[in-house]
Amino acid sequence: DIQMTQSPSSLSASVGDRVTITCRASQSIAKFLNWYQQKPGKAPRLLIYAASNLQSGVPSKFSGSGSGTDFTLTISSLQPEDFATYYCQQSYNTPPTFGQGTKVEIK
Amino acid sequence: ELQLLESGGGLVQPGGSLRLSCAASGLTFSSYAMSWVRQAPGKGLEWVSCISNRGDRTYYADSVKGRFTISRDNSKNTFFLQMNSLRAEDTAVYYCAKNPLPLIPAAPVYNWFDPWGQGTLVTVSS
Repeated sequence: DIQMTQSPSSLSASVGDRVTITCRASQSIAKFLNWYQQKPGKAPRLLIYAASNLQSGVPSKFSGSGSGTDFTLTISSLQPEDFATYYCQQSYNTPPTFGQGTKVEIK
Repeated sequence: ELQLLESGGGLVQPGGSLRLSCAASGLTFSSYAMSWVRQAPGKGLEWVSCISNRGDRTYYADSVKGRFTISRDNSKNTFFLQMNSLRAEDTAVYYCAKNPLPLIPAAPVYNWFDPWGQGTLVTVSS
């Protein structure tokens, strides 16, 4: 199975900050990488698919980049509604696997 | 609006069985593969199983293979997860989710989970 490792596991940030989350795959996965946001008690929500494509309805403050083994999710200006846990997920092969999550908390 | 609604969760003893259902609306259900993803309390996301649009191909995580069975009824826009020989480590919120493709080919493919249902809690405990 492909292992996905996110860093950091948690971070504290202020409203208005630019936040970057990293996801590393244990082998090259080209651009077969997706990002999700999950708020407490809620289902995950797809933000980015195929590494850099913004899902319909997702604000443009979210962006994704990367290919191969290293990927990033960036939130350009953190807002109160963005405090959540973020997960990456690879679809290069089966089983699809997720990173362990990055919890974004209020500083 | 595309919507997924799970049901069937609950408390079950170790070794017991449970059947989860996921009812879909707002989409051409028979065109898409569908998946189950679970989340143990306080933990991350784990993919469990996927079924192709016609139900002729199924995929399972090693952790559930031989114990769980995924199926679907396209006439009722519903798919299922039959869980047998349940263990404490199966305790989780189970989410159903839609895939963008009719199946998952062996080759690398752009595949994701969207949307997700609200989740149903399965607790395995004596």
